[in-house]
Parts: sequence; structure tokens; C-alpha cells
Amino acid sequence: AQKVTQAQTEISVVEKEDVTLDCVYETRDTTYYLFWYKQPPSGELVFLIRRNSFDEQNEISGRYSWNFQKSTSSFNFTITASQVVDSAVYFCALSEGGTGRRALTFGSGTRLQVQP
Amino acid sequence: AAGVIQSPRHLIKEKRETATLKCYPIPRHDTVYWYQQGPGQDPQFLISFYEKMQSDKGSIPDRFSAQQFSDYHSELNMSSLELGDSALYFCASSSRSSYNEQFFGPGTRLTVL
Repeated sequence: AQKVTQAQTEISVVEKEDVTLDCVYETRDTTYYLFWYKQPPSGELVFLIRRNSFDEQNEISGRYSWNFQKSTSSFNFTITASQVVDSAVYFCALSEGGTGRRALTFGSGTRLQVQP
Repeated sequence: AAGVIQSPRHLIKEKRETATLKCYPIPRHDTVYWYQQGPGQDPQFLISFYEKMQSDKGSIPDRFSAQQFSDYHSELNMSSLELGDSALYFCASSSRSSYNEQFFGPGTRLTVL
């Protein structure tokens, strides 16, 4: 069965600090997809990134970067120079299978508070 | 760009009442998913539909049912509501071309009193 673990329940940083959110996953499938979503206080789920199991390239998008390591089953997310607007709950999620249309399994989320 | 539409956005019901939540997927998306997010919890998968047929089933209570219609919109019907059903209900949609990328609607916040 698939499982996603986000061990950090809550992280508090001061603006401009870098912060890394950890995500560890378990799956028996060789083909799977990993995601990060942001959920601000308003409640909507905002898609941040998707990575498939065959693409271990790290990705950078502005202040965001992701480190995917199959050897340790981890897909960590780093925010550089954090800002107050980054305050939200961040979910890591996993979807198995290569045909699409599979449900997402979410981690328990990490609440990030960025203090001014 | 068109997004997933959910209605209503907020709903207040009494215990033992019924509720119907609606979801309108992004045009040309063929798969719809329903998730339930309790207070302080992560979203939990309930059920999904592909081309109007049930595709996958998660932790959906027997009191809940869902369907996808010919125009691809979906409805989640909830009967005999309980206090524990109070949650944020998300609908998401995807298409073959977006493989596993699910686009989420804004959610319906259901409060059961």
C-alpha cells in the first residue's frame, strides 16, 4: 500500500530564512507520481509541482526547489528566502500507476509559519 | 483558463439531513475525483469516475453516493448526515493529457449542526 510521511508537523521561520519541508514515500509500483500542494488559510489546494518516478532531475522554480531521491524515497521541498505569503500548510502526495486516473494519497501536511 | 467549479461553496445542515454537492470539471476532462478533508487533516480520497463510470473507491461511507452525468459534472449525495461529516469536500478533475495531474476545485465547506 502507498504511504506518504511528512514528519514535520509545524515549522516556524523568520522571513528571508530558507526552509526545507521533508517528504518520504512508500510504494510498490515502479511507476508513480509525486506532488506538492499548498493550502493557504483560505482553504484551496494549490498545485506546485508534479514529478514522475523516472525523472529524478531536481527542479527549481523561482524561490522554490525540489529534491527527488529514489534511493531514499524522498521528495523534499525547499523555499529560499521565505516570505510571509508562504505561510500555509504544504502537502506532499503520491499517485501510483502509469495510466493516470489514480487517487492521490496525501501526507499529513506541514504547517509553515513565516514570521515577519 | 477554466477551473473546476464546485457548488455550493458553503453548506450548513442539521444532523440526519441530506446534502448534495456538485462539481463541474474543467472542459474536456474525463475523470472526476472527490476528497474529504476534516479539520486539521489531510484530504482523503472518497471516489472517482472515468467517462461516467465509477473508477476507484476509497473511504466513502455507505451513506454517501456519487455519480457522473452525461455532461461530465458529478454530484456527491450525502444522507443521514453526522457531526463527523463536517469537512471541506474537494472535487478534482484530470484528463488523459494531464496524466495524474489533478486540478482541484475551491472546495465545499459542509457544516453539520
